[in-house]
Amino acid sequence: GENVEQHPSTLSVQEGDSAVIKCTYSDSASNYFPWYKQELGKRPQLIIDIRSNVGEKKDQRIAVTLNKTAKHFSLHITETQPEDSAVYFCAPKGGAGSARQLTFGSGTQLTVLP
Amino acid sequence: DTAVSQTPKYLVTQMGNDKSIKCEQNLGHDTMYWYKQDSKKFLKIMFSYNNKELIINETVPNRFSPKSPDKAHLNLHINSLELGDSAVYFCASSNGEKLFFGSGTQLSVL
Repeated sequence: GENVEQHPSTLSVQEGDSAVIKCTYSDSASNYFPWYKQELGKRPQLIIDIRSNVGEKKDQRIAVTLNKTAKHFSLHITETQPEDSAVYFCAPKGGAGSARQLTFGSGTQLTVLP
Repeated sequence: DTAVSQTPKYLVTQMGNDKSIKCEQNLGHDTMYWYKQDSKKFLKIMFSYNNKELIINETVPNRFSPKSPDKAHLNLHINSLELGDSAVYFCASSNGEKLFFGSGTQLSVL
């Protein structure tokens, strides 16, 4: 199955600064790379995703970059705000067989300090 | 209007009891899932059903039995509850890759 590592496990930034979370995966056939955000006591929700034929995707203050050669992808949040405080999960999708499912990383607790 | 709804939201029960969690989605999705989130926030897939058929069954004790009466419903029945079953259980659905999660059921086994 897919091995997924997510770093860092916790991240504190000052409001207005940028935050970067990295996800490393093992399955070279993985072809879909989403990031989910889970606020305290809430459900995880998709915030951005990228497919293997694209290197970068932006949506306002968030972006995802993909390095297929190195098998990692990253979430970038610029001009962070207190409402960005949450746990963020990467969840790459495996490429074949029973691995064709999302495997969630261990999560990164992001705290944006006012 | 809730896309994926699960009940109950909280479930407090004694060890050894049997309990069920219900899940319904009104998105018309073909695939539904159960995930377990432990106290360290790890999200682990338990089961996946596609059009009422089981397609993923991870290493889960057979005390856990999913039931899908139709493709809009996926219920989870747990027999002989143990302390280690305490967690938040999320139902989810998808019609491709994007997952839509329910609001979660916080299960506490005493």
